[in-house]
Amino acid sequence: GQQVMQIPQYQHVQEGEDFTTYCNSSTTLSNIQWYKQRPGGHPVFLIQLVKSGEVKKQKRLTFQFGEAKKNSSLHITATQTTDVGTYFCAGSNSGYALNFGKGTSLLVTP
Amino acid sequence: DGGITQSPKYLFRKEGQNVTLSCEQNLNHDAMYWYRQDPGQGLRLIYYSQIVNDFQKGDIAEGYSVSREKKESFPLTVTSAQKNPTAFYLCASSIAAASGQPQHFGDGTRLSIL
Repeated sequence: GQQVMQIPQYQHVQEGEDFTTYCNSSTTLSNIQWYKQRPGGHPVFLIQLVKSGEVKKQKRLTFQFGEAKKNSSLHITATQTTDVGTYFCAGSNSGYALNFGKGTSLLVTP
Repeated sequence: DGGITQSPKYLFRKEGQNVTLSCEQNLNHDAMYWYRQDPGQGLRLIYYSQIVNDFQKGDIAEGYSVSREKKESFPLTVTSAQKNPTAFYLCASSIAAASGQPQHFGDGTRLSIL
């Protein structure tokens, strides 16, 4: 079945440093979604990418979808303490269910 | 406010007991989902429902059961057959079960074994 791998599992940065998490699928995806889960909270939808090579930005966050639609990345520029949490990618290949990666937990120290 | 309500927030189960986790949504969403979250494991799909009176097994359905008698409700029963039920359970919904629909999550229920 479809698997979505996400790396790194953990990342610890100093405030102001950049951060990137990567997501790779074993199969071609129809779309990919990104979620953020704050400590003790629930996942919150951030964005969806659909087109090959698509790039979307949300303030300091940049999301990319690979040309082959099998990989994606989330890059945060100049991290802040409010960025702390676990970031999940979730892929779909036209089925009804999302396949979530295991997430990257980001810790930002001031 | 529209949203998804899960209850209880914390739940304790004795060995051999069945317990039911509640999930209610007032978003008028057709699709609802149950996930299990363990540390370092991400979210794993237990069951999902595309429409009332219909549901499908996810990746880890063994030891769990669901019902979807009303559009707004999708309760999950953790049966005694589930040998390792301690986890964080998340309920979600989306407008439809079609690919690419964002999912909205409840606050979750933490289940522990006594």
